[in-house]
Amino acid sequence: QPVLTQPPSASASLGASVTLTCTLSSGYSNYKVDWYQQRPGKGPRFVMRVGTGGIVGSKGDGIPDRFSVLGSGLNRYLTIKNIQEEDESDYHCGADHGSGSNFVWVFGGGTKLTVL
Amino acid sequence: QITLKESGPTLVKPTQTLTLTCTFSGFSLSTSGVGVGWIRQPPGKALEWLALIYWDDDKRYSPSLKSRLTITKDTSKNQVVLTMTNMDPVDTATYYCAHRNSSGILCYWGQGTLVTVSS
Repeated sequence: QPVLTQPPSASASLGASVTLTCTLSSGYSNYKVDWYQQRPGKGPRFVMRVGTGGIVGSKGDGIPDRFSVLGSGLNRYLTIKNIQEEDESDYHCGADHGSGSNFVWVFGGGTKLTVL
Repeated sequence: QITLKESGPTLVKPTQTLTLTCTFSGFSLSTSGVGVGWIRQPPGKALEWLALIYWDDDKRYSPSLKSRLTITKDTSKNQVVLTMTNMDPVDTATYYCAHRNSSGILCYWGQGTLVTVSS
């Protein structure tokens, strides 16, 4: 099954841009990954799904245009432009794998984004 | 509007069985392709998927926890129940339920319920 790796922290100044990275383990370069935003004390919120061709399907409800994704090789990126205070959150990536009794859903360790 | 809410005990003793209920609205678990999943998050740690039940009552479990988990649904009540046996302090976590859409995305999540395992 794939392993998803995320840096534990990132920071950006108000109004700036930041790119968060989720790296798939070797051999899983064709996998799609889902990004989730988790504000302090809240449940995760689906942001969007990304594959090597970019966004797959639609963004989650209420996700602003400032959020975009790219996929390249084993990396899946989430870029936030014109960062706002409300963007300070933990960002998780996740992916499903397998079928039947071998099905699993895996998540990365999450990246804590601090807005300076 | 899709909403989900988790309910259950906030404190359980080691070796006890935990029973959590996910009550949802805005969708039907009899709709083809739809599912409800359970995910947990220990304090300060990563998300961990536990179980998933599909509209057709097919079920999937985390391999590492499969022997301890049971997921069921009551379509008429719009509820999904997760039981976890033999609770241990390492199972202390916030437990979330989430709606899985027909594209396989966990697109709506509940607010979570914190379960502490302690004697």
